[in-house]
Amino acid sequence: KQEVTQIPAALSVPEGENLVLNCSFTDSAIYNLQWFRQDPGKGLTSLLLIQSSQREQTSGRLNASLDKSSGRSTLYIAASQPGDSATYLCAVGTSYGKLTFGQGTILTVHP
Amino acid sequence: DVKVTQSSRYLVKRTGEKVFLECVQDMDHENMFWYRQDPGLGLRLIYFSYDVKMKEKGDIPEGYSVSREKKERFSLILESASTNQTSMYLCASSSEDLGGSSYNEQFFGPGTRLTVL
Repeated sequence: KQEVTQIPAALSVPEGENLVLNCSFTDSAIYNLQWFRQDPGKGLTSLLLIQSSQREQTSGRLNASLDKSSGRSTLYIAASQPGDSATYLCAVGTSYGKLTFGQGTILTVHP
Repeated sequence: DVKVTQSSRYLVKRTGEKVFLECVQDMDHENMFWYRQDPGLGLRLIYFSYDVKMKEKGDIPEGYSVSREKKERFSLILESASTNQTSMYLCASSSEDLGGSSYNEQFFGPGTRLTVL
């Protein structure tokens, strides 16, 4: 059964820092990997989607990489801002688009 | 932009009631999903559907059923609500279009916080 682990569980950084969130998964037979952001009490917002044939995706200050063979993905956030404070979720996709989620990393960026 | 809407943001029901949670997407997506999210347990898949009238069990289907009569609408039904079904319920949809840039990218609704008393 696929298991997804995210490290660290929580992270607090000063504004302006570059930071890395980690995601690992146990079964490399995935279709894609998706990173989400969730604000308290809200739904999930898709940040980046990496198909299994890709190595990385970029959107603005966000960059996500995927290494299927080692079962790892990282989300890099450049020049963090207080508005980046949220929970970041990693999810791996299999058939029919089903996702298995990690527990998330709670990010706090303080001014 | 893809839009996934859910019928209620907050819902309070009594034990034993039949509860309907509705989800509608406007992007002609083939796949639709229902998850629940609980502290310490994360998001868990309840049911999903890959076509009209088709449904498949997810990881935690017990106590739930679903209905998909139209492509854009996916309903989650709690036949007899219990207190352990108090949770945040999230609906999502994704496309099976292999040629699309958003192939299998999952888009979520705002969630329904259900409290069963």
